[in-house]
Amino acid sequence: DIQMTQSPSSLSASVGDRLTITCRASQNIGSYLNWYQQKSGKAPKFLIYSASTLQSGVPSRFSGNASGTDFTLTISSLQPADFATYYCQQTYSPPLTFGPGTKVDLK
Amino acid sequence: QVHLVESGGGVVQPGRSLRLSCAASGFTFKWYAMHWVRQAPGKGLEWVAVISDTGNEKEYADSAKGRFTISRDNFQNTVNLQMSSLTTDDTAVYYCVRGAGSGWYGRYFDYWGQGTLVTVSS
Repeated sequence: DIQMTQSPSSLSASVGDRLTITCRASQNIGSYLNWYQQKSGKAPKFLIYSASTLQSGVPSRFSGNASGTDFTLTISSLQPADFATYYCQQTYSPPLTFGPGTKVDLK
Repeated sequence: QVHLVESGGGVVQPGRSLRLSCAASGFTFKWYAMHWVRQAPGKGLEWVAVISDTGNEKEYADSAKGRFTISRDNFQNTVNLQMSSLTTDDTAVYYCVRGAGSGWYGRYFDYWGQGTLVTVSS
């Protein structure tokens, strides 16, 4: 099975900050990497697919990148609505594993 | 507008069975793979199972193999998860999710239901 790791597991930031979350796959997954945002008590929201393609309606301050088995999610200027937990997911092959999540809270 | 509405959650004793259902609307259901994803209290997301658009292909997480069965009805626009031999480790919110993009299981999860809570407790 493909294992996904994320770092950091949590971070504190301020409105306007630029932040980057890293996700690493245990083996090659091509670009089959997605990102989701989840707020407390809510279902996850789909943000990015194929490592770097924004889902329709997702603000352009979100971006994704890939380098080998390392993937990043960047928020260029953190907004109040962005405080949440972020998960990466590989869909290269089943089981379709998620990373453990990165919680972003207010400094 | 896409809607996924789960039902069937509740409190069940260890070793018993439970059947979850998901009613889909707002899209052509028979064109999409459907997944179940769960989240234990305070924990991360865990993919559970997928069924292809036709129902001919299925895959399960190791934690679900041999105990859970996913099925669908393309006339009723529903997807089900039959769970048996439940343990306390199965306690979680279970989400019904649409799989979109290429491949038989879809390459991303674009719509999620609100989830239904399953609590396994004596």
